[in-house]
Amino acid sequence: QVQLQESGPGLVKPSETLSLTCTVSGGSISSYQWTWIRQPAGKGLEWIGRIFNSGSTYYNPSLKSRVTMSVETSKNQFSLKLNSVNAADTAVYYCARDGLGGGDQFDYWGQGTLVTVSS
Amino acid sequence: DIQMTQSPSSLSASVGDRVIITCRASQSISNYLNWYQQEPGKAPKLLISAASSLQSGVPSRFSGSGSGTDFTLTISTLQPEDFATYHCQQSYSTPPTFGQGTKVEFK
Repeated sequence: QVQLQESGPGLVKPSETLSLTCTVSGGSISSYQWTWIRQPAGKGLEWIGRIFNSGSTYYNPSLKSRVTMSVETSKNQFSLKLNSVNAADTAVYYCARDGLGGGDQFDYWGQGTLVTVSS
Repeated sequence: DIQMTQSPSSLSASVGDRVIITCRASQSISNYLNWYQQEPGKAPKLLISAASSLQSGVPSRFSGSGSGTDFTLTISTLQPEDFATYHCQQSYSTPPTFGQGTKVEFK
């Protein structure tokens, strides 16, 4: 059974960089594409971007200037960095697997981690 | 970006009721429509892909239909574990986008 687990600081100061890592267990990271999605409290889901096992990426244009994703296949991990954060970036951040290999059907999700942007 | 609009935003229902949630896309997305269930404090769970394909392990009381711009998720006989928020998501074009969610509450 594939499992995903997000990790990283739960509190980030305004203007600083949010950094999260997703560790994949129960399967290889090399066979799929991987995604970050976030959800502000009481609101809908927002797709942040995806990373391929090759390391190539595609980001949501609304966040593209601030987002960087990377993958470390040897550790079965992929990561998200979001710079110049502000209060609007406060949300639960999820990592997820694209089960259709690029079809954007998210079949496995991490439990989510709350990141609060506050001084 | 393709805008996804769900209705209603919330609904109250009782165990045994038939529940229908609709999702409308701002442009045609063929059948590239997925449905997720999200229980409070948990991650979304993929229920239905490609508008009508039930994921393995999902009860048959859930069904999806539609194509083009208009889609529906139907729960034929609401069970206690179905009280949750449901999200539609288009996978026709990048970025994938979600509806705002429909919360199914206990009447």
